[in-house]
Amino acid sequence: EVQLVESGGGVVRPGGSLRLSCAASGFTFDDYGMSWFRQVPGKGLEWVSGINWNGGSTYYGDSVKGRFTISRDNAKNSLYLQMNSLRGEDTALYHCARDSSRHAFDIWGQGTMVTVSS
Amino acid sequence: QSALTQPASVSGSPGQSITISCTGTSSDVGGYNYVSWYQQHPGKAPKLMIFDVSNRPSGVSNRFSGSKSGNTASLTISGLQAEDEADYHCSSFTSTSTPYVFGTGTKVTVL
Repeated sequence: EVQLVESGGGVVRPGGSLRLSCAASGFTFDDYGMSWFRQVPGKGLEWVSGINWNGGSTYYGDSVKGRFTISRDNAKNSLYLQMNSLRGEDTALYHCARDSSRHAFDIWGQGTMVTVSS
Repeated sequence: QSALTQPASVSGSPGQSITISCTGTSSDVGGYNYVSWYQQHPGKAPKLMIFDVSNRPSGVSNRFSGSKSGNTASLTISGLQAEDEADYHCSSFTSTSTPYVFGTGTKVTVL
């Protein structure tokens, strides 16, 4: 079964750090680019960051540029998001998703919740 | 980059057709044929329903169709069924510094 499972979310104080992981299974991980998205409960989706198949190219949304770092380990079929200098507005459910190569995302994980609060 | 504009809610009776609009600008929806639509049931992961404005992934019902005119894309659900009750999100590739922008989301209710 093709699957993405996120982990690593939790409660963190403003200014703190957190590292999210996304474990992929059921497909050849290094054939695909991957992205992270976030969603405030009850609100719309926001693209956060993307990475190409070998990690050689990375992309970030303006709201996280300079604070978040995306990476991947193809040997472990895993995607990561290192989040530093966290702010209240980063509070959201974070999803990872597979890039279908058509500027659309065809496989999504259920998400891991990040809460930034003092 | 502002979010694409979608109606907050759309409703219809079983068997009817409904259309959800998604309005952007010439920098996103109007500039590229890279509009996609996602269905999301409560507490579930988003599911890709339409890509490249009007293409359906394998396994998606042909009751779902997409189109675009100018800066506005549309998702039509025909023969509305109870299982179609969900949130729907549009997305577009953009020419701005953030490559993808999403819509504000639409809640579809089957009466």
